[in-house]
Amino acid sequence: RKEVEQDPGPFNVPEGATVAFNCTYSNSASQSFFWYRQDCRKEPKLLMSVYSSGNEDGRFTAQLNRASQYISLLIRDSKLSDSATYLCVVNGGGSYIPTFGRGTSLIVHP
Amino acid sequence: EAGVTQFPSHSVIEKGQTVTLRCDPISGHDNLYWYRRVMGKEIKFLLHFVKESKQDESGMPNNRFLAERTGGTYSTLKVQPAELEDSGVYFCASSPSRGFTEAFFGQGTRLTVV
Repeated sequence: RKEVEQDPGPFNVPEGATVAFNCTYSNSASQSFFWYRQDCRKEPKLLMSVYSSGNEDGRFTAQLNRASQYISLLIRDSKLSDSATYLCVVNGGGSYIPTFGRGTSLIVHP
Repeated sequence: EAGVTQFPSHSVIEKGQTVTLRCDPISGHDNLYWYRRVMGKEIKFLLHFVKESKQDESGMPNNRFLAERTGGTYSTLKVQPAELEDSGVYFCASSPSRGFTEAFFGQGTRLTVV
C-alpha cells in the first residue's frame, strides 16, 4: 500500500459546482497534513494546511479524519481558475520526510 | 522577498554526462528539500538538509547523485554520470521549520537525458 494515495481523476465539473477530494495515508503516526496545488508545468504551491479541527479558507475547506486516516478538500462554487492538480502531502510519523500523493486532477469547464 | 530559485530551468544532456542543479532557498530557511517528479509518477523525496547538514538522504536513488549545501545557503545536486531514467523535474523546497509548514517550492529544473 502506498504511503499517500489519491484518486488521480480527472474530476470534470461545471463552474459553480462543489467538488471534494480525499487522500488516504498509511502511517497512523503522521502529524501534519497539507494540500498543495500544481498548475501544468509549474511548481507546487501551498493551498492550505489541514488542522485537526478542520479549517476553511474562502471556498476551500480541509478536514482531517485520523480514525480513518484520510484528509479531504472541499471546493465550493468552482471557478475555471481552480483547474489544476491538487496534491496531498503528509508529514511526520517518525521522520520529517514530507510525502506527496500522486495528485488529483480537477478540470472546471464553463 | 525573493522566493526559492532554481537553476537551470531546463537541461538537456547526453547519457554519461554530468549535470549540476542549483537551488537558492528563501533567506533564513534552514530546511531545504530536494524532490523529483518522473513523468507519470508522484513527486518523490530525495533528501533534506537542515542548514548544511544532511538530515535525511534516504530518497537518493544511488551514488550517482550527490547533494551539497556548503555554508547552509544554496544547495547543489549533481548527477554523474547521468542515465536515461534520471530524466524528470527536480524541485527544491525550503521551509523555516522541520514540519514542512510554510514550505515553498522553486519552479523546478526539467532534466532530459538523451
